[in-house]
Amino acid sequence: GQNIDQPTEMTATEGAIVQINCTYQTSGFNGLFWYQQHAGEAPTFLSYNVLDGLEEKGRFSSFLSRSKGYSYLLLKELQMKDSASYLCAVRDEDYKLSFGAGTTVTVRA
Amino acid sequence: ETGVTQTPRHLVMGMTNKKSLKCEQHLGHNAMYWYKQSAKKPLELMFVYSLEERVENNSVPSRFSPECPNSSHLFLHLHTLQPEDSALYLCASSQDVDGNSGNTIYFGEGSWLTVV
Repeated sequence: GQNIDQPTEMTATEGAIVQINCTYQTSGFNGLFWYQQHAGEAPTFLSYNVLDGLEEKGRFSSFLSRSKGYSYLLLKELQMKDSASYLCAVRDEDYKLSFGAGTTVTVRA
Repeated sequence: ETGVTQTPRHLVMGMTNKKSLKCEQHLGHNAMYWYKQSAKKPLELMFVYSLEERVENNSVPSRFSPECPNSSHLFLHLHTLQPEDSALYLCASSQDVDGNSGNTIYFGEGSWLTVV
């Protein structure tokens, strides 16, 4: 089966930066996704990486290294509304999407 | 609003009941999915439909029965469930099941199911 690991919880202060790491071992690779999920709500798409490097979208950036099976999601200038669960998901050679268990980020004032 | 609507949002059912979860997508997508989300566990893919045909069935017990009457609607019929089936059931859709253009999956708000 596929193996996707990310930390369970992280806490940071408003205005700070937090980096959520994701490592994966999958049969083949066809892209990595990050989703944000607020409690009781649907996961919403944040970013997609298929080539190595950094993708920046406003306060959020996502990095991928395919050779290392590694990605991170960087959240800058943290706001209280960024408190949520962040899900790393990898699409394998059969285009099946497998998810990590999610990282709960708590932003403190 | 993600373009994927699920009903009901909350459902409590007994182990002998028969109920159904409904999903509708307004995005013109060809693929629809059912995922199960339990506390502190990864999202588990249950079923995948592409153009109304089931293309994936991840060893899901037969007490869960999907139905896809057209590319916009997806149902999950529930019968004789167990308490451990209590979870958030998420419906999702994407343009296709393959990897073209990233093929982002869009999720509904989910249906919270409690089996008593």
